[in-house]
Amino acid sequence: EDKVVQSPLSLVVHEGDTVTLNCSYEVTNFRSLLWYKQEKKAPTFLFMLTSSGIEKKSGRLSSILDKKELFSILNITATQTGDSAVYLCATNSGGYQKVTFGTGTKLQVIP
Amino acid sequence: DTAVSQTPKYLVTQMGNDKSIKCEQNLGHDTMYWYKQDSKKFLKIMFSYNNKELIINETVPNRFSPKSPDKAHLNLHINSLELGDSAVYFCASSQGAGTGNQPQHFGDGTRLSIL
Repeated sequence: EDKVVQSPLSLVVHEGDTVTLNCSYEVTNFRSLLWYKQEKKAPTFLFMLTSSGIEKKSGRLSSILDKKELFSILNITATQTGDSAVYLCATNSGGYQKVTFGTGTKLQVIP
Repeated sequence: DTAVSQTPKYLVTQMGNDKSIKCEQNLGHDTMYWYKQDSKKFLKIMFSYNNKELIINETVPNRFSPKSPDKAHLNLHINSLELGDSAVYFCASSQGAGTGNQPQHFGDGTRLSIL
């Protein structure tokens, strides 16, 4: 069975800190790995990674994939209170976009 | 304009009742999904439809029946509701199910509470 594991489960940091969220996976017919941010309602898409070693960046957020070691990290620099959310990692695998989500990392940024 | 919209946003009902949740997307996507998110925020896929055809059907009780009248709509009907069905149900859509390389866009969820 496909598995996606995120760590840590929760994290509390101060504004301005840098955080690294981890995601490891074991899936059959891996196609891509995605990161989402979930605040109160719908998960919103952050990144999709398909190739190893190529960093994707959006403002203070960046992510990279290692397909050999089967993991990805999401970095957030200079954290702000607005970054407080649950960050979800997911994999697309198999034929028709079988999506498997991890349990999420709950990030709380305090002033 | 809302891209993926679900109704209702909240649903409170008693055990044993039958209820439906509706989902519509205006993104022109060809694939739609239903997910269940439990109290620990774990998001698990239930069903996926591509051009009105069922393509993913995870291990879900047959009390849950999805229906896709067209590729912009995917509804979820639940019979004989049980306490364990309490959760947030998310609808999502994406383009090109066969490539496996498209992000999904989520609705805001329907919070179902069973009394």
